[in-house]
Amino acid sequence: AQSVTQLGSHVSVSEGALVLLRCNYSSSVPPYLFWYVQYPNQGLQLLLKYTSAATLVKGINGFEAEFKKSETSFHLTKPSAHMSDAAEYFCAVLGGGFKTIFGAGTRLFVKA
Amino acid sequence: NAGVTQTPKFRILKIGQSMTLQCAQDMNHNYMYWYRQDPGMGLKLIYYSVGAGITDKGEVPNGYNVSRSTTEDFPLRLELAAPSQTSVYFCASSGQGGGNTEAFFGQGTRLTVV
Repeated sequence: AQSVTQLGSHVSVSEGALVLLRCNYSSSVPPYLFWYVQYPNQGLQLLLKYTSAATLVKGINGFEAEFKKSETSFHLTKPSAHMSDAAEYFCAVLGGGFKTIFGAGTRLFVKA
Repeated sequence: NAGVTQTPKFRILKIGQSMTLQCAQDMNHNYMYWYRQDPGMGLKLIYYSVGAGITDKGEVPNGYNVSRSTTEDFPLRLELAAPSQTSVYFCASSGQGGGNTEAFFGQGTRLTVV
């Protein structure tokens, strides 16, 4: 069965610093992986997705993620954090029956 | 382009009351889902549907029911509300399958049971 684990429920960075949010997956088949972002009092929206076309995936708002099969990881990065990046981020994998399985989420805080 | 629409946005229920959370999508998606989100717990799948007339249980179905009479609508029913059902509920839909199956979410319904 597919699953994802997000390391760290809270991450705090200074404005302008590197953002790194960690996600490890478990899948018996080549996975489809996603990162979603949730701003306060809103639903989730797609940041980026990995569908085996390229291991480095670029998303919206300057985020990118790299699929590393040897490490079963799909970490999300952004070179320079903005205050507007403060949100909760969810890693997800497409499971059996096309159900999306979510990690527990990582809340990103950005300090001025 | 409405996407996924949920109503109501907020609701307070008394223990034992019932209600229906409405969800509609206009993207002709076959797959629809109901999740609940509790602090620090991520999203848990309650029920899902792979098409009109077909529904199945997710991880946490107890206390809920669903129906899918049309492609567009996927209501979630709470029959006897309990405090443990206090949560934020999200409806989502996705396309036919494969790598393009990202989920599109509604804005959520914040439910409090007192």
